[in-house]
Amino acid sequence: DIVLTQSPALAVSLGQRATISCRASQSVSTSSYNLMHWYQQKPGEQPKLLIYDASNLASGIPVRFSGSGSGTDFTLTINPVQADDIATYYCQQSRELWTFGGGTKLELK
Amino acid sequence: EVQLVESGGGLVQPGRSMKLSCAASGFTFNNYDMAWVCQAPKKGLEWVATISYDGSSTYYRDSVKGRFTISRDNAKSTLYLQMDSLRSEDTATYYCARELGAFAYWGQGTLVTVSS
Repeated sequence: DIVLTQSPALAVSLGQRATISCRASQSVSTSSYNLMHWYQQKPGEQPKLLIYDASNLASGIPVRFSGSGSGTDFTLTINPVQADDIATYYCQQSRELWTFGGGTKLELK
Repeated sequence: EVQLVESGGGLVQPGRSMKLSCAASGFTFNNYDMAWVCQAPKKGLEWVATISYDGSSTYYRDSVKGRFTISRDNAKSTLYLQMDSLRSEDTATYYCARELGAFAYWGQGTLVTVSS
């Protein structure tokens, strides 16, 4: 199974950049695609897709969200962070079945 | 507008069964693979099962193999999850999701509580 590791929490100030990392236990990239995706979840709500295939912005998602990475190391960046971005963020891979990271809770500093 | 509406959750005793449904609308259901994802209280997301667009292929996480069955009725645009031999650790909110590598659309979830 591919295990995805995220830091449990990240504290950030409003207006600053937030960088959330996800490391996979083995590569989730093919010759054509980086099969890593990112979600935002607020309490009591279903998850929302932010980024697919590592760097593609999902429909309706603000451009302050961006994704990068390949192989085993991936990053979700929020710049600048707004109050509405306080939530938990999950990475997910689809290279081999489907697995999620443990989530990173974005908190205000 | 894509809509996914789950139903069928509730309180169930350990060892008993429960069947969840997910009614889909706003897209051509039989063009897409579908999945169930769960989230235990205050915990992270866990993929449960996926079924191909035509129902010919199914995939399960190890902890539910042999106990859960994912199925679909394309004529009714409905996804199902039959859960047998339920355990306390199956307690979670269960979401259905449209799958294309990423899970682009999610339902609001239905809570399953396994307890005596």
